[in-house]
Amino acid sequence: QKEVEQDPGPLSVPEGAIVSLNCTYSNSAFQYFMWYRQYSRKGPELLMYTYSSGNKEDGRFTAQVDKSSKYISLFIRDSQPSDSATYLCGGGGGNKLTFGTGTQLKVEL
Amino acid sequence: DVKVTQSSRYLVKRTGEKVFLECVQDMDHENMFWYRQDPGLGLRLIYFSYDVKMKEKGDIPEGYSVSREKKERFSLILESASTNQTSMYLCASSLTQGQPQHFGDGTRLSIL
Repeated sequence: QKEVEQDPGPLSVPEGAIVSLNCTYSNSAFQYFMWYRQYSRKGPELLMYTYSSGNKEDGRFTAQVDKSSKYISLFIRDSQPSDSATYLCGGGGGNKLTFGTGTQLKVEL
Repeated sequence: DVKVTQSSRYLVKRTGEKVFLECVQDMDHENMFWYRQDPGLGLRLIYFSYDVKMKEKGDIPEGYSVSREKKERFSLILESASTNQTSMYLCASSLTQGQPQHFGDGTRLSIL
């Protein structure tokens, strides 16, 4: 079993929809969690970073962490075609960050 | 903004060659990382460095070595390239332990 599990998609939604991206993890030692966005032929770009359970909001993006059920989510409001990318979740402790395999999202006009 | 620069976007090498991938960061970060990214396998850590001349093995260090002679520069070395090392290689850096990692745009390496 992988330490971080993520549905690969692809996930296709209409413009303006609310998108929910989800990951589960198995390592109780994870202290911090991140979401990255990766466009084709580019490196991952940090979207959200959090240490604690609960919600963290940044513009149209909300990251949610539930440590009791080992579940992390990213919500995108008012999705745009420019949000079409692969989204990577990750959990870490110390210097080591473990990633999910990524969910491919396509936002259609 | 943090800038992590990888020297080549695309590289083609032959089996058995010694290959050097270079990475430079401009934010005085302590930690630097090398990952490879493969479809269905995601990002896997090869090596990381937490200080000049210091390194630790990641999850898949076999066939690779690293060098960090200066704080801003971290090199990945494929000692004798093999076809199963064809991949996207990503370098990252973070300020200190537990801080967010910032990535370069990757080097797509093909070994023929």
